[in-house]
Amino acid sequence: GQSLEQPSEVTAVEGAIVQINCTYQTSGFYGLSWYQQHDGGAPTFLSYNALDGLEETGRFSSFLSRSDSYGYLLLQELQMKDSASYFCAVKGMDSNYQLIWGAGTKLIIKP
Amino acid sequence: SQTIHQWPATLVQPVGSPLSLECTVEGTSNPNLYWYRQAAGRGLQLLFYSVGIGQISSEVPQNLSASRPQDRQFILSSKKLLLSDSGFYLCAWSVGGLYQPQHFGDGTRLSIL
Repeated sequence: GQSLEQPSEVTAVEGAIVQINCTYQTSGFYGLSWYQQHDGGAPTFLSYNALDGLEETGRFSSFLSRSDSYGYLLLQELQMKDSASYFCAVKGMDSNYQLIWGAGTKLIIKP
Repeated sequence: SQTIHQWPATLVQPVGSPLSLECTVEGTSNPNLYWYRQAAGRGLQLLFYSVGIGQISSEVPQNLSASRPQDRQFILSSKKLLLSDSGFYLCAWSVGGLYQPQHFGDGTRLSIL
């Protein structure tokens, strides 16, 4: 079957760097996505990795290793507004190529 | 630019009552449309998706149904709500293709009493 695991909560200090890991299990892998969701809000798309390596978008980067079924989201120069939940999601044959979502990682940022 | 509208923002309904949530997309044609439900502190669960008018795929068998009467309109319905239907309902759209990101409406917070 299909599954994703990510830490439930991560705490970091403003200005620091934090990494949120995601491991997945699926057949016919078609990419790993990351979304951000502030409390009470809707998810917003951050990044997508279909191939191995690092994708950088401003302060956010996302990494994928298909051989390890593993990816991470890296947030640099943390700001208080980055306090949110971060979800990894995969597409695979097991889900008929629809997104399957992890349970989310709540990022707590302290001043 | 594309926008997605979802309403109402909050809804309180008694058990056994009907439900109709509506979602419309502007600024794009023939989008893929999705209905998700999110329990508190959890990830998103895909309920229905549609790749075209009248084409609905159900991911979770339950007392909910979806319809797409127009290209950019997606409706989530129920004839009789259950307590377990409470949650945060999100509509999303994407361009067709495997690698396209999904864009979400603001969601409807549904409470069943």
